[in-house]
Amino acid sequence: DAKTTQPPSMDCAEGRAANLPCNHSTISGNEYVYWYRQIHSQGPQYIIHGLKNNETNEMASLIITEDRKSSTLILPHATLRDTAVYYCIVRVHGEYDYKLSFGAGTTVTVRA
Amino acid sequence: GAGVSQSPSNKVTEKGKDVELRCDPISGHTALYWYRQSLGQGLEFLIYFQGNSAPDKSGLPSDRFSAERTGGSVSTLTIQRTQQEDSAVYLCASSLDPGNNEQFFGPGTRLTVL
Repeated sequence: DAKTTQPPSMDCAEGRAANLPCNHSTISGNEYVYWYRQIHSQGPQYIIHGLKNNETNEMASLIITEDRKSSTLILPHATLRDTAVYYCIVRVHGEYDYKLSFGAGTTVTVRA
Repeated sequence: GAGVSQSPSNKVTEKGKDVELRCDPISGHTALYWYRQSLGQGLEFLIYFQGNSAPDKSGLPSDRFSAERTGGSVSTLTIQRTQQEDSAVYLCASSLDPGNNEQFFGPGTRLTVL
């Protein structure tokens, strides 16, 4: 799988949008961008994934650059409960690539 | 609906004892995964089940670790003769099928081996 690079930490004000960057310059054509998060003392939680088009769900939006070498996860209105470590990973879809592996991620702290 | 549940939430045991960790996946999910996460470390894959069979046990760290799944549902991870280095949070996840990469995680079992 391609490696990803994320800033180690960021702060965000409650109610504001949080924009989390991720670099994946060696991503290959069949690899998807996935985001998970892990709130303290909880299991990881799936957020969103995409291939090349921008995606939006009830939790977040994912913006992938045209060259697919980077992406941004957007939490539109951050709340205190969004404080967590956010992991960006790239992986191939399919039956044979099921092992999740996280890097250090970005520790996001939402402040009141 | 109910998510993935794990029990116990915490387990403290003495070195050399055996422990069993239980995972109840989301109903209808055919794929089940065990991971562990040591303090400050990343996610370490242990084993994957498709139905009741385990096509990939490559992540089990030693033969003291074993797992089974019955009825295509509940799974048990057993660690025999526990060692201090086994201390970690053991996470279970399930997905609708192995090709579906949205894995839903349980809250984990925190194992402490004294």
